[in-house]
Amino acid sequence: EAQVTQNPRYLITVTGKKLTVTCSQNMNHEYMSWYRQDPGLGLRQIYYSMNVEVTDKGDVPEGYKVSRKEKRNFPLILESPSPNQTSLYFCASSLTRSTDTQYFGPGTRLTVL
Amino acid sequence: RKEVEQDPGPFNVPEGATVAFNCTYSNSASQSFFWYRQDCRKEPKLLMSVYSSGNEDGRFTAQLNRASQYISLLIRDSKLSDSATYLCVVSPSRLSSGSARQLTFGSGTQLTVLP
Repeated sequence: EAQVTQNPRYLITVTGKKLTVTCSQNMNHEYMSWYRQDPGLGLRQIYYSMNVEVTDKGDVPEGYKVSRKEKRNFPLILESPSPNQTSLYFCASSLTRSTDTQYFGPGTRLTVL
Repeated sequence: RKEVEQDPGPFNVPEGATVAFNCTYSNSASQSFFWYRQDCRKEPKLLMSVYSSGNEDGRFTAQLNRASQYISLLIRDSKLSDSATYLCVVSPSRLSSGSARQLTFGSGTQLTVLP
């Protein structure tokens, strides 16, 4: 089944404790991205990747890192999480670019205390 | 002013009703337009792309008005299963840094279809 998977789905952590949210897709997509969704603000892009080893900042990259060592995986790293990073996070992938149909993962609900 | 603005609703309509949502965008250089649907606490999914000439997919019709910079979504004969949040999406636009922004999502319009 074609899908985007994220882990963990739910995470409660404390300020400053490094964490990684994994994202994997099995559709051989080149384009992958991370979004956060907050009430009243919609989805905002954090980082995106056009292909392996090619990443770039989106709207709200501060406090996040990403890597794209393999085509299928695009982990999101929070080196020192803070309470303002409490949010619902979605990973998405598409064939080659942002205007192709975006396939979203199921979301990761992160709470930083 | 937000780059993409939607009426958050909620729109509560009876089954069988026709309902329309509008979405305005601020960047006149925007080229691509979409409607995504998001069920409560789930991931967004593409509903339909919006073409310059307008397009229809079953009970759903999307229109683009470049002159007034808005797109619309019309749902005819509403079903209970249409209850969801509808996200307006626009691309591309530019960040203040000059870099290309990939997609801009509106905050969504919530629809509840009542039996």
